[in-house]
Amino acid sequence: QQQVKQSPQSLIVQKGGISIINCAYENTAFDYFPWYQQFPGKGPALLIAIRPDVSEKKEGRFTISFNKSAKQFSLHIMDSQPGDSATYFCAARDSGAGSYQLTFGKGTKLSVIP
Amino acid sequence: DTGVSQDPRHKITKRGQNVTFRCDPISEHNRLYWYRQTLGQGPEFLTYFQNEAQLEKSRLLSDRFSAERPKGSFSTLEIQRTEQGDSAMYLCASSFSGVNTEAFFGQGTRLTVV
Repeated sequence: QQQVKQSPQSLIVQKGGISIINCAYENTAFDYFPWYQQFPGKGPALLIAIRPDVSEKKEGRFTISFNKSAKQFSLHIMDSQPGDSATYFCAARDSGAGSYQLTFGKGTKLSVIP
Repeated sequence: DTGVSQDPRHKITKRGQNVTFRCDPISEHNRLYWYRQTLGQGPEFLTYFQNEAQLEKSRLLSDRFSAERPKGSFSTLEIQRTEQGDSAMYLCASSFSGVNTEAFFGQGTRLTVV
């Protein structure tokens, strides 16, 4: 059972465009939603995170939009750059579960072309 | 402190051999996690420690896997009698305790079982 569904699997965006990655979750106990960026051969790096008490969070060119009723959240990358080419993972956590383990989506490979 | 450190970065082993990986978390982080990431997938939770106590294990962690964190600082993950299906990236992450905490990942150990 996949608890966090991520789409699309891959995305090609022109430099300067907007990259949008979507995630949907099933477990209503999830209360923390981070996005991680991963380059080949590297570990995931935390990019931005949101909690369900807000509907949007922006940090620089990266924005998370959160829809609690729909159990969906998305990452928007504005003015996408070739250096943003990486794999992006959404994740979710149930802070009441004790372990604070993260449940990840399957990832989106983003390619930003000049 | 330069972040979560993992050693080795790469390991190639023959099927049936035992391997051990090491993780040094960010100092003063009392939570430590192990995840496994296979090609094209998001990381999957294996186990976590609160200080030296191993408090949760995923069903993915078969009895050939054992993890320790003897003094609440570094951790080791051992795989006995390796199988080809064990080939993956093994990621370590650490965090403080508490609700408002972020998990930081290491670069991972890439295991190839031949």
